[in-house]
Amino acid sequence: GQNIDQPTEMTATEGAIVQINCTYQTSGFNGLFWYQQHAGEAPTFLSYNVLDGLEEKGRFSSFLSRSKGYSYLLLKELQMKDSASYLCAPIPGAGSYQLTFGKGTKLSVIP
Amino acid sequence: EAQVTQNPRYLITVTGKKLTVTCSQNMNHEYMSWYRQDPGLGLRQIYYSMNVEVTDKGDVPEGYKVSRKEKRNFPLILESPSPNQTSLYFCASSPDRGRVPEAFFGQGTRLTVV
Repeated sequence: GQNIDQPTEMTATEGAIVQINCTYQTSGFNGLFWYQQHAGEAPTFLSYNVLDGLEEKGRFSSFLSRSKGYSYLLLKELQMKDSASYLCAPIPGAGSYQLTFGKGTKLSVIP
Repeated sequence: EAQVTQNPRYLITVTGKKLTVTCSQNMNHEYMSWYRQDPGLGLRQIYYSMNVEVTDKGDVPEGYKVSRKEKRNFPLILESPSPNQTSLYFCASSPDRGRVPEAFFGQGTRLTVV
C-alpha cells in the first residue's frame, strides 16, 4: 500500500510564494504527479517528476527527493484563481500507473 | 479534442436500482480508472484497467463492477446502489507508454442515492 501525507489546509496572500509539501511511502516508485483541483471540478495536471530535482513550469515548480520520499509544489506570484486543492500522487512500481492520491491540500489565497 | 467523457453529470436514484455511469476516451489510452471523491477522504480508486479485458480492484471496490470490452470505454456499474455510494465520481485515462503518463480526468458524475 501507499502512505501519502500533505497538509490539509494552507492560506497565503496574493502575490506571495507558497510551498506545499508531500511525503510518501510506496512499494517501488515510478514518478510523482501534482494535480490542481478547483471545488467540484476535475483534477488537472500540473507537473510530473521522475528524477530528483526541481522542475519549473512558469509560476509553478515541483521538487522531488526520491531517497527522502519527499516532494513539494512551489507556487509563485500567487493569484486569487490559485485557490484550489493540490493533490500529490506518487506512482508505485515500474510499469504501473495505478495512481493513488493524497487527500489534498486546500489552498486559500487572500487579498 | 482529446477528452474523457462521462455521463451523466448528475444523477439522483433510489436504493437498489441498478445504474451505469459511462466513460469514454478518444486518446487511445491503455489505462483507465474510476475514483470516488468524498469530503475529508480525497480521491479513492475504485477499479482500474490496464487494457481491454484486464481489470483490477482499487482501494474501495465493494458495491461496484466494471468492464472493459473496448479500449475506449470503461463503464462503472452499481448493481444495487446504497446511500453510502452517494459521492462525486471521476473517470480517468492515461497512456501506458510515453514520457509522461499524465492522467486525464472526465468532468465528474455527482451521484445521489436516496
